[in-house]
Amino acid sequence: AQKVTQAQTEISVVEKEDVTLDCVYETRDTTYYLFWYKQPPSGELVFLIRRNSFDEQNEISGRYSWNFQKSTSSFNFTITASQVVDSAVYFCALLSYNTDKLIFGTGTRLQVFP
Amino acid sequence: DVKVTQSSRYLVKRTGEKVFLECVQDMDHENMFWYRQDPGLGLRLIYFSYDVKMKEKGDIPEGYSVSREKKERFSLILESASTNQTSMYLCASSLATGAEAFFGQGTRLTVV
Repeated sequence: AQKVTQAQTEISVVEKEDVTLDCVYETRDTTYYLFWYKQPPSGELVFLIRRNSFDEQNEISGRYSWNFQKSTSSFNFTITASQVVDSAVYFCALLSYNTDKLIFGTGTRLQVFP
Repeated sequence: DVKVTQSSRYLVKRTGEKVFLECVQDMDHENMFWYRQDPGLGLRLIYFSYDVKMKEKGDIPEGYSVSREKKERFSLILESASTNQTSMYLCASSLATGAEAFFGQGTRLTVV
């Protein structure tokens, strides 16, 4: 069975703080993909990153970075020097190559205060 | 840019009505998905389709059906709407397995 767990329901930080959003996944498949999406107050989900199960390299994109560790089935997302515009709900998602089924976690609401 | 368009932003329907939610994508994507989003529950997969006339159940298919007669269009059908189907419905499409999914703006359905 596939499952994505985002244990942090809500996180509040002050601007310029660093914040890490946790994502733990479960799958029996050896080939799978992991994603992060952002849902700003406007409501439309925005794709942030994709990782396949064979690529454990961490990635950095500006203030965003992602840490993929197969040993702990985790795909965590860090925002460095957070800004008010980062306030949103962030979703982690898992897609199994064998089933084409894309499932999401329950999301983490991030509030960044000035 | 990929565009996923959902036919309505807001809908109000009565209990027992048959409801159609339409989704169209303009980038020749193979895969299409329907989710519902509820507070505290995240996005839950209702149905998905990886080809025309093909459909697969997601995690919560009960009370719903889907139709994909053309590649670009994926319809979600509530055969007999109930109040517990009041929710935000999100449609998505992706080019192929493993590709990122693109989402529509959502349809907020209220069943009264």
